[in-house]
Amino acid sequence: NAGVTQTPKFRILKIGQSMTLQCTQDMNHNYMYWYRQDPGMGLKLIYYSVGAGITDKGEVPNGYNVSRSTTEDFPLRLELAAPSQTSVYFCASSSEGFGNQPQHFGDGTRLSIL
Amino acid sequence: QQQVKQSPQSLIVQKGGISIINCAYENTAFDYFPWYQQFPGKGPALLIAIRPDVSEKKEGRFTISFNKSAKQFSLHIMDSQPGDSATYFCAASMVNYQLIWGAGTKLIIKP
Repeated sequence: NAGVTQTPKFRILKIGQSMTLQCTQDMNHNYMYWYRQDPGMGLKLIYYSVGAGITDKGEVPNGYNVSRSTTEDFPLRLELAAPSQTSVYFCASSSEGFGNQPQHFGDGTRLSIL
Repeated sequence: QQQVKQSPQSLIVQKGGISIINCAYENTAFDYFPWYQQFPGKGPALLIAIRPDVSEKKEGRFTISFNKSAKQFSLHIMDSQPGDSATYFCAASMVNYQLIWGAGTKLIIKP
């Protein structure tokens, strides 16, 4: 059982480049989330989705975009990468929203913007 | 008012000892308080969670103590083992509201 799969695991980007972080889950979860994790800062919610075709902003959405065309996939798009976007990005999913069920996380994408 | 403050930032405990990590919150509407465990190179995984209708929840060597009046909750790891070495995050939430995460505690258990 794969759970939540994120690709790539590592990536180095130059300032101004763009890329898509991929996330797919095989648990048929309606809720999916994108977080960024910075040292000493905990996790910050970037975007979330409550089902296919429905997305909404989290706490730190600037510089990112998402789409949710299927239940399984929830890609995160970085446009015009900036050094402030250097971070570890985690995708997660849950069967119910936020405060009701555990979130299942992927192993993260470590992104450096140089 | 949406912060969750976690302490200490790092903690070293001898094998067999008790590890204690504390969290405090401000929003009295929060009603779900999970703890997540994260190993290096991995995503966080739910360890144990509590709701404010109970003051304590125990699962094996892991216990959450909850003090509603003080708006504090803590994780106790009994008989700490080297395999418990990880980063621990507390969080708080309520229905239809995002999880608010603490900053994390890096726990090292010395053999």
